[in-house]
Amino acid sequence: DAGITQSPRHKVTETGTPVTLRCHQTENHRYMYWYRQDPGHGLRLIHYSYGVKDTDKGEVSDGYSVSRSKTEDFLLTLESATSSQTSVYFCAISDMGPNQPQHFGDGTRLSIL
Amino acid sequence: RKEVEQDPGPFNVPEGATVAFNCTYSNSASQSFFWYRQDCRKEPKLLMSVYSSGNEDGRFTAQLNRASQYISLLIRDSKLSDSATYLCVVGTGNTGKLIFGQGTTLQVKP
Repeated sequence: DAGITQSPRHKVTETGTPVTLRCHQTENHRYMYWYRQDPGHGLRLIHYSYGVKDTDKGEVSDGYSVSRSKTEDFLLTLESATSSQTSVYFCAISDMGPNQPQHFGDGTRLSIL
Repeated sequence: RKEVEQDPGPFNVPEGATVAFNCTYSNSASQSFFWYRQDCRKEPKLLMSVYSSGNEDGRFTAQLNRASQYISLLIRDSKLSDSATYLCVVGTGNTGKLIFGQGTTLQVKP
């Protein structure tokens, strides 16, 4: 299995609080991605990174920010969590090249009350 | 129209059956194609890549039809352990971004 660790694995918090999720990889892959998965929507890309300090938005980026100060770490921050951000969050990595797949972490279950 | 569409199922089949899933994609410029498997409350895992020439991995066969823009997955001799959700995934462009279908649920019964 790809060396990807997400933390925390589970979190319950209140509306309006800031939340940071961490993705750590040991594969030295260039590309890292954050997805959320919700019933009826499948996996949707929030943000992705194509190198240290290089990030870009995905299709559902509103309300989220990311940072990547080191190759191995990609942080996802909810500045002021809302109940609509209750979801399962997956980090993925890719050794980008033509037709390369992504490999996923175990996920973080986030509940915002 | 969704970029990647799959029949959500569920497909309920007996052990030993052959089952096929199809997936259609809308972007004719798509360059990479995959099937992922996702077990309940787990992360998606790569099942196989899909090549233009088709490819087979044991009981699993994947086909790509670029002209009709669809991908198929055939599972032969279904096992109980094949019960999962199968995600059709398409890559477009040079950013590595992938588009995921919502998945097709397979339940293999004894």
